Amino acid sequence: ETGVTQTPRHLVMGMTNKKSLKCEQHLGHNAMYWYKQSAKKPLELMFVYNFKEQTENNSVPSRFSPECPNSSHLFLHLHTLQPEDSALYLCASSQDRYGINEQFFGPGTRLTVL
Amino acid sequence: TQLLEQSPQFLSIQEGENLTVYCNSSSVFSSLQWYRQEPGEGPVLLVTVVTGGEVKKLKRLTFQFGDARKDSSLHITAAQPGDTGLYLCAPWGGGYQKVTFGIGTKLQVIP
Repeated sequence: ETGVTQTPRHLVMGMTNKKSLKCEQHLGHNAMYWYKQSAKKPLELMFVYNFKEQTENNSVPSRFSPECPNSSHLFLHLHTLQPEDSALYLCASSQDRYGINEQFFGPGTRLTVL
Repeated sequence: TQLLEQSPQFLSIQEGENLTVYCNSSSVFSSLQWYRQEPGEGPVLLVTVVTGGEVKKLKRLTFQFGDARKDSSLHITAAQPGDTGLYLCAPWGGGYQKVTFGIGTKLQVIP
């Protein structure tokens, strides 16, 4: 138990569906992250929020839409996804965005796009 | 763009054997972390090294940061099945740079 929870753990969706991934951290951290983990690729940083403000968007397609209503919660809204978006989506949190703070990861959501 | 390589990408060994995995780059780093990701879980921090030449030990795991701070190694002595997982190096270039992750070494320890 890392203090970061993610729901759902598994998600199968069609290309026309709309779904959301949820992340919650109970660590009092100020920074939250979304990563995509695909086979044979390094962890890809998608979005970073620091004190609820988005500080980084790594050229992520608009079919992925993040939302950070407060420092404890992070969502990733999905719509019109493609099969190549199938991957493990990991949420992480850290004390803040800067420096080499330890990142605490959730268990991930395994997403399959049909 | 820094080039970060981890080797080997896959390693399957018998319980009790020793192994070393590597993290190499063309860039100099301020510090570097090693994470382990077990199947079905997210990565978990093992260690942070910050000084060139630094050696840190965590039970049977020995981490070394290269003198030039461009590379790092992780040595496991007498591997156990519980060591199975994906080992990720995550260097940090300093300042406002973000931490990046290598592709990882997938280790399988066979009982």
